[in-house]
Amino acid sequence: GENVGLHLPTLSVQEGDNSIINCAYSNSASDYFIWYKQESGKGPQFIIDIRSNMDKRQGQRVTVLLNKTVKHLSLQIAATQPGDSAVYFCAARADSSYKLIFGSGTRLLVRP
Amino acid sequence: DADVTQTPRNRITKTGKRIMLECSQTKGHDRMYWYRQDPGLGLRLIYYSFDVKDINKGEISDGYSVSRQAQAKFSLSLESAIPNQTALYFCATSLRTSSQTQYFGPGTRLLVL
Repeated sequence: GENVGLHLPTLSVQEGDNSIINCAYSNSASDYFIWYKQESGKGPQFIIDIRSNMDKRQGQRVTVLLNKTVKHLSLQIAATQPGDSAVYFCAARADSSYKLIFGSGTRLLVRP
Repeated sequence: DADVTQTPRNRITKTGKRIMLECSQTKGHDRMYWYRQDPGLGLRLIYYSFDVKDINKGEISDGYSVSRQAQAKFSLSLESAIPNQTALYFCATSLRTSSQTQYFGPGTRLLVL
């Protein structure tokens, strides 16, 4: 069946460095992808999304890259700050449906 | 996201009890969802509703039921709670557009003893 997975359960970075969180998906029909941030005790918060007709999209300090050839996307966070510490997970949608398939998440730890 | 609220935020119950988790939204979205989150697993869809009269089972609906009382309200019931229903439960909403980005509530932490 469809699945979405992240490459590392935990990522530790130095404050000020750039962070890269990776995600792989299995369904080549996936046409829309979302990155969520989940802080402790809170619900997932939308960060950025990208459609399959794009390979890069930038937000404020965040960039999402999509490589459809290898079914991989990444979230890059520039100048990582302590407030970026959270679990990040990606979600993929196939064929313009309602259904999102979620990855299990990568915990980002920011060292001061 | 304050636009999507869930009550209660924490709940402890005993095996066999019936409980209800409630979700309200002020986003004006037509679609609402219930997910559960377990450690090490991604969010899994329990039920979803595209409007008040359209309710559908998700991938793990056994042991759960839902009610869409109004466009803004979607409640999840555990008819007879069991310990493996101990989890974080999230409500989400989306608008029927091409993106259908889902926005989540703060979650309910449920412990079934």
